Amino acid sequence: NAGVTQTPKFRVLKTGQSMTLLCAQDMNHEYMYWYRQDPGMGLRLIHYSVGEGTTAKGEVPDGYNVSRLKKQNFLLGLESAAPSQTSVYFCASSYLQINQPQHFGDGTRLSIL
Amino acid sequence: SQQGEEDPQALSIQEGENATMNCSYKTSINNLQWYRQNSGRGLVHLILIRSNEREKHSGRLRVTLDTSKKSSSLLITASRAADTASYFCATDNNAGNMLTFGGGTRLMVKP
Repeated sequence: NAGVTQTPKFRVLKTGQSMTLLCAQDMNHEYMYWYRQDPGMGLRLIHYSVGEGTTAKGEVPDGYNVSRLKKQNFLLGLESAAPSQTSVYFCASSYLQINQPQHFGDGTRLSIL
Repeated sequence: SQQGEEDPQALSIQEGENATMNCSYKTSINNLQWYRQNSGRGLVHLILIRSNEREKHSGRLRVTLDTSKKSSSLLITASRAADTASYFCATDNNAGNMLTFGGGTRLMVKP
């Protein structure tokens, strides 16, 4: 049972480049989330999804887009990367409701030069 | 925005000692959760305590919740070097449709 898997684990981008982060979960969870974690700060919610085909904005959605075409996958896109988006990105999922225990992947470390 | 704030930001203790971390929040909640994060890894859920509960235990973990003071504490008894990690509290909002994480407490347990 892999849980939540994120790819890639590390990536370096140049300003203006685009990329997609992939999250996959094998627990049949309805809810999925993308967070970013910056040094000394807690996690901040970027976007989330309450089910296949749905997405919603979180606390810091600007500069990011997401898609949930399949229940098990949640993609995070950066259309034009900026240095301020240098961060560690975490994907999580939960069976029901946002305020229930969430299961996290091990993160994607993204540096934008 | 509503947020849990942990205190202290960092804690260093010897193996075998108890570790206590505190979390304060601003508005009414339905539940409060504690998570652990080992270096370079994702968060792992430890325990959830509902707003109508005052205390909850899980192995060497003891969580208390005081809704009148809007605060919670996480106690790790008989700490081990493997407990070295960052610990985060997470609070929901009254509608239960948002989860907000605090900045975390970095715990170091020296062997």
